[in-house]
Amino acid sequence: GQQLNQSPQSMFIQEGEDVSMNCTSSSIFNTWLWYKQEPGEGPVLLIALYKAGELTSNGRLTAQFGITRKDSFLNISASIPSDVGIYFCAGQLNTGGFKTIFGAGTRLFVKA
Amino acid sequence: NAGVMQNPRHLVRRRGQEARLRCSPMKGHSHVYWYRQLPEEGLKFMVYLQKENIIDESGMPKERFSAEFPKEGPSILRIQQVVRGDSAAYFCASSPAQGGVAEAFFGQGTRLTVV
Repeated sequence: GQQLNQSPQSMFIQEGEDVSMNCTSSSIFNTWLWYKQEPGEGPVLLIALYKAGELTSNGRLTAQFGITRKDSFLNISASIPSDVGIYFCAGQLNTGGFKTIFGAGTRLFVKA
Repeated sequence: NAGVMQNPRHLVRRRGQEARLRCSPMKGHSHVYWYRQLPEEGLKFMVYLQKENIIDESGMPKERFSAEFPKEGPSILRIQQVVRGDSAAYFCASSPAQGGVAEAFFGQGTRLTVV
């Protein structure tokens, strides 16, 4: 079945640093999604990407849908302590579909 | 405007017991999705339901697991004769139409521990 390889698994950074994480797949996806999950909570959608090459920002977050449709990255600029959490990428084969494949997550730790 | 409500938040069951997980979708939402999250892993799709209909259950284990979304009341994920391997966080999400997970909001999850 389809799999998403998300890296890095975890990151330990200093407040103020920029962060970059990415997802790759052997399959083509038509939608890429990035979520953040905090302890004891459900995932919250950060950014949705619908078009190959699309670059979308949400505050300090920027995500891109790779041209090959097999990868995506998420950047966080000027990290702050509340950025701590697990960031998941997710891909959908069909836009608006319900069978979403999730990566294993990148655990972000920010030291003040 | 209440979000997706899941209860209980934590559930402990002995091996062989039944677990019932409830999900009340957001007001006006008629589509519910259930996902399972094992420790240190991402979410895995289990089942997609609309009111009174199971649309896709291809992610559900063939035995012991069932789901429903009745005309009235919450969606229920039922696990019969639980085993240790069922221990996980179970999340539901709801959406107003078939916009898929991109249009859906997740609940806080039910953490099932089988002892």
